[in-house]
Amino acid sequence: EDKVVQSPLSLVVHEGDTVTLNCSYEVTNFRSLLWYKQEKKAPTFLFMLTSSGIEKKSGRLSSILDKKELFSILNITATQTGDSAVYLCAVQGGNDNTNAGKSTFGDGTTLTVKP
Amino acid sequence: DTEVTQTPKHLVMGMTNKKSLKCEQHMGHRAMYWYKQKAKKPPELMFVYSYEKLSINESVPSRFSPECPNSSLLNLHLHALQPEDSALYLCASSQPGTGVPTEAFFGQGTRLTVV
Repeated sequence: EDKVVQSPLSLVVHEGDTVTLNCSYEVTNFRSLLWYKQEKKAPTFLFMLTSSGIEKKSGRLSSILDKKELFSILNITATQTGDSAVYLCAVQGGNDNTNAGKSTFGDGTTLTVKP
Repeated sequence: DTEVTQTPKHLVMGMTNKKSLKCEQHMGHRAMYWYKQKAKKPPELMFVYSYEKLSINESVPSRFSPECPNSSLLNLHLHALQPEDSALYLCASSQPGTGVPTEAFFGQGTRLTVV
């Protein structure tokens, strides 16, 4: 059974701080690891990682995957109050070529950024 | 159009009622998903449709009945639900891929309360 573990479960920082969120996984036939941000309703897609060692970057957010050690990190620099959300990590695995989007989610990290 | 639209946004139903949740996307995605999310928990996969055929049922009780009438629409028919079924129901879509990992785009969800 696929398993995704995120840490820490919650984090409180002040604006301007840098945070690192962790995601470790065990999955059969790994395909990809995804990061989502969830505020009030739907998760919104941040990154999809498939290859080790290649950093994905979007503004103040960046992420990298280590397929040997089976983990990923999500970095947020110069945090703002608008970054407060639950950050979800999900992995896609399995043999079924028709279900590439099926994801197993971790429990999420709740980030609170104080002014 | 990169949206997944879910209706209704909120639904309150009694345990003897029959209701349906609807999901629509016009991104040409051929994989669609229903997830259930309880408070402070990650989304849990319920059903996957691939090319309008049900490909995964994650042992969901029969009081939940999915339907995919065409490639843009996904319904979830509800009957004789229990109060513990109250949750946020999320629809997602993605390219099913042929072994190529793809990200899922989520709708805003239907907040369901069973009374």
